[in-house]
Amino acid sequence: EAGVVQSPRYKIIEKKQPVAFWCNPISGHNTLYWYRQNLGQGPELLIRYENEEAVDDSQLPKDRFSAERLKGVDSTLKIQPAELGDSAVYLCASSPQNTYQETQYFGPGTRLLVL
Amino acid sequence: RKEVEQDPGPFNVPEGATVAFNCTYSNSASQSFFWYRQDCRKEPKLLMSVYSSGNEDGRFTAQLNRASQYISLLIRDSKLSDSATYLCVVNPVDSNYQLIWGAGTKLIIKP
Repeated sequence: EAGVVQSPRYKIIEKKQPVAFWCNPISGHNTLYWYRQNLGQGPELLIRYENEEAVDDSQLPKDRFSAERLKGVDSTLKIQPAELGDSAVYLCASSPQNTYQETQYFGPGTRLLVL
Repeated sequence: RKEVEQDPGPFNVPEGATVAFNCTYSNSASQSFFWYRQDCRKEPKLLMSVYSSGNEDGRFTAQLNRASQYISLLIRDSKLSDSATYLCVVNPVDSNYQLIWGAGTKLIIKP
């Protein structure tokens, strides 16, 4: 079974430029998460989708970040414009359903460097 | 106080030794707990869930202490391949299933 797929794996951009990350979850997984992880920290949830609905985006900086999950399968996270502080690893995860006992399966992440 | 706290380490442990580390959580109503493992520059992967009665998986034992609000992870007969960062994860239930992640404890097993 294929795991969570993310692209690109690495991205280097200059500040104020836009950037987009793509995620394809494990087939059949209804719940999709976007996390941001800074060096030496645990993952921080940005947004959670149940199918195509964003059910928790309280941590998403909405002035510059946006996300979509059209058709309830793959998802895109966008930053526009990027700031130096956005440099981090952006992780996508999925789970079959969002219950409190559910395992989350992570993709390899996109490592973003903003110069 | 952070919702989930871990000693960042690193814990430097000789191969074959036993090592244990704890994770404290602030929300007494938390219902589910997990240990994830994250290798350097890799994604987190579930190591084990933590049940009220404690659970064991091979060389790994996880325990929950609700009274003192911490979970623990014990690794016996440590291997070089156990070197990683171990992330404690807690679901406070009242946060609409949003998992709260600790910053992780770095473990280095030395030959």
